[in-house]
This record gives sequence, structure tokens and C-alpha cells, in this order.
Amino acid sequence: GQQVMQIPQYQHVQEGEDFTTYCNSSTTLSNIQWYKQRPGGHPVFLIQLVKSGEVKKQKRLTFQFGEAKKNSSLHITATQTTDVGTYFCAGPSPGTASKLTFGTGTRLQVTL
Amino acid sequence: DGGITQSPKYLFRKEGQNVTLSCEQNLNHDAMYWYRQDPGQGLRLIYYSQIVNDFQKGDIAEGYSVSREKKESFPLTVTSAQKNPTAFYLCASSIRAGVLEQYFGPGTRLTVT
Repeated sequence: GQQVMQIPQYQHVQEGEDFTTYCNSSTTLSNIQWYKQRPGGHPVFLIQLVKSGEVKKQKRLTFQFGEAKKNSSLHITATQTTDVGTYFCAGPSPGTASKLTFGTGTRLQVTL
Repeated sequence: DGGITQSPKYLFRKEGQNVTLSCEQNLNHDAMYWYRQDPGQGLRLIYYSQIVNDFQKGDIAEGYSVSREKKESFPLTVTSAQKNPTAFYLCASSIRAGVLEQYFGPGTRLTVT
């Protein structure tokens, strides 16, 4: 079945440092979504990318969809303590547009 | 104030008992989903429903059951057949099937001893 892997599994940075998480799918994706889950909270939708090579920015967050539409990345510039949480990518499950397969997640810890 | 509600936030049960988790949405969304999250892990799909009176099994449906009698409600029953029921259960909805941006409820932490 489809697998969506993220690396790293965990990263600890000092506030102000940059952070990147990478998402790799075993299958080509029609689109990819990113979610953030704060500790003890629930996932919150961040963004969706659809086009090959697409790059979108939200303030300090930059999202990229690979040319082959099998990978994606999320880069945070100058992390802040409010960025703490787990970041998940998710893509449509093969053969259906009705459900998502979530990645394994990257947990980000930011300290002063 | 629109959104998804799940109750209760924490639930404790004895092994061998069935338990039903509530999920209600007032977003007028057609599609609803149930996920299970274990500590330090991602989300795994249990069941999903694209429309009222219809639902499909997800990746880990064994030991669970659902109903979708009303558009706004999608309760999940964790049966005694579920071998490892202790987990964080998340309900989500999307405006319609095929639109995959999902809105999540606050979750229910179920502990079975």
C-alpha cells in the first residue's frame, strides 16, 4: 500500500534557527497537504499544494511540491517557540479522492 | 460558532466494555472521518463517511463500528473486539468527498484498563 514517510522524525532547534521537514510518498500524488498539531492538540490544516514544482509561502513557512509530485518539503525560517508541534504531510490515498494517507510526522522542539 | 465537537475529552473504560465516542459538526460538511493516533505516531484512518447513511472502512476498521444517520453526527463505537483500544481518537470533516482539506475536532483520549 501507499506509504508516506517524513524525515526527520524529531528535531530540536534553538529559537532563530531554520527547520526543514521532508515528505516522501511511494506513489505519485495529485496534491499534498500539510497539517500542524500542537502538543496535546489536534491537527490543523496549513496548506495544500497541487502543481508540480509549486512553492507557497505563509510568513516564515515555505512549502514546496516536488517536480515528480512524490515529495514535498516544509521549511521554517527563524523558528519561534510558537512553531513547536508535529508537522504532518498528507496525500490522497491511491485509487480514491475520498481519503488521505498521513505521513509519519516530524516533531519540532524549539528552545530559547 | 462553527466547528467539530468531540466528547468527552477523556474517557476511561474497563476491558471488555463497548464504548461510543461522540462527534458532531455544524459546518454542514458532507464527509466525516475517524482517525486513531498512538503516542508519537501519525494518524490512521478507521472509518469514513462521504454522505449520510453511507460509510466505508479505513485502514484499521477491525474492532470498530460507526453509523451516519444524520449529516452532523458520526459516532464511533470501540468494541471489546478491538485488541488495543487505548489511544487518542480524532474526528474530522471535509466539505464534501473529494475535497480533502480536513477540519479536526479536539479529540477524545480513551484509556482501557
